[in-house]
Amino acid sequence: NAGVMQNPRHLVRRRGQEARLRCSPMKGHSHVYWYRQLPEEGLKFMVYLQKENIIDESGMPKERFSAEFPKEGPSILRIQQVVRGDSAAYFCASSPTGVSGANVLTFGAGSRLTVL
Amino acid sequence: AQTVTQSQPEMSVQEAETVTLSCTYDTSENNYYLFWYKQPPSRQMILVIRQEAYKQQNATENRFSVNFQKAAKSFSLKISDSQLGDTAMYFCAFNNAGNMLTFGGGTRLMVKP
Repeated sequence: NAGVMQNPRHLVRRRGQEARLRCSPMKGHSHVYWYRQLPEEGLKFMVYLQKENIIDESGMPKERFSAEFPKEGPSILRIQQVVRGDSAAYFCASSPTGVSGANVLTFGAGSRLTVL
Repeated sequence: AQTVTQSQPEMSVQEAETVTLSCTYDTSENNYYLFWYKQPPSRQMILVIRQEAYKQQNATENRFSVNFQKAAKSFSLKISDSQLGDTAMYFCAFNNAGNMLTFGGGTRLMVKP
């Protein structure tokens, strides 16, 4: 049973380009979360999605960032017109139902974005 | 809003000895959950231990145990018989049964041979 799969593991983009990060949740998990980790910091919540729905995007920057979790296929975190401050590790996590503490998040290995 | 504070940016311990990592949090909630995650150099986030706030008994997982002091809003992690493989970043995290985990800034633990 594969865990949470993220790709690419490493992505290099120049300023102004677009970055797309993909996340396939664990089998049987229909809830996906994206977190961002800046260097030497803890993870910060960005967005929570279920299939075809954004449930909570309170941690997502208002501009340039978007996320989706289509009916078929992986969840996508999209960053348009990247800037150097977007350089970070982006983690995806999944759970079988919504986070309630009783349901533990399973994290992927992260995607490290470097903006030149 | 909840906050989680880890006051020790770095810690070191000799192999086979015991080390305690500190975590404090701030919340007005009564029911919530606390976690310790380990992040080794591979960057994978690995759950170490979990505590439900309504349980008075401290959680234990093999060499890992917590000291949960609800009134003091403190949730420290004790690692006994430290092993080289315990070298990692350790993050304390809080969930109030909402949609997100709130993480502390992390403690870098180095286990020395």
